[in-house]
Amino acid sequence: GENVEQHPSTLSVQEGDSAVIKCTYSDSASNYFPWYKQELGKGPQLIIDIRSNVGEKKDQRIAVTLNKTAKHFSLHITETQPEDSAVYFCAATGGYQKVTFGIGTKLQVIP
Amino acid sequence: ETGVTQTPRHLVMGMTNKKSLKCEQHLGHNAMYWYKQSAKKPLELMFVYSLEERVENNSVPSRFSPECPNSSHLFLHLHTLQPEDSALYLCASSPGQGAFVAYNYGYTFGSGTRLTVV
Repeated sequence: GENVEQHPSTLSVQEGDSAVIKCTYSDSASNYFPWYKQELGKGPQLIIDIRSNVGEKKDQRIAVTLNKTAKHFSLHITETQPEDSAVYFCAATGGYQKVTFGIGTKLQVIP
Repeated sequence: ETGVTQTPRHLVMGMTNKKSLKCEQHLGHNAMYWYKQSAKKPLELMFVYSLEERVENNSVPSRFSPECPNSSHLFLHLHTLQPEDSALYLCASSPGQGAFVAYNYGYTFGSGTRLTVV
């Protein structure tokens, strides 16, 4: 089955700096890669996603890149703000249409 | 409001109790899910429903019993739980394709029920 590894597990950045979270997957048939943000006391919220026919997608300060050859995808947050502090999860939908989540990255933005 | 509402937000129950978790979605989605979230583990899929039919049961112990009376409501009935069942239980919904669950669409999650088994 699909295996998704996410790094780092924790990340601290100064306000205004960029943050990058990386995920690798094992199933070459995976075709959909969403990212979720989970704030304290809330459920995960979809923030951006990318499909396997696209290499990069951007939405304001958030971008996701996908390298199908290397089987990894990354979340980039620019000009970080304190409200970006949360746990971020990546996920991959594999060839058997199974969704596998990463273990999460706790991002702390220091004012 | 995310469009997926879960109640209660917190639940403490003894191992011999019976309780139910409720989920309601107002998004017109065809598919609904129960996930278990434990510390330092990836989200674990428990059950998947599409148009009120259970399409997946991920080897979940029988002390967890799901129910989907219609495409907007989902329940998780709990009985004789163990302390290791303490976790955040998340309900989610997503668009479907008729009777089929399309996993390549994002989920809308509820805020979860924090369950503590004592």
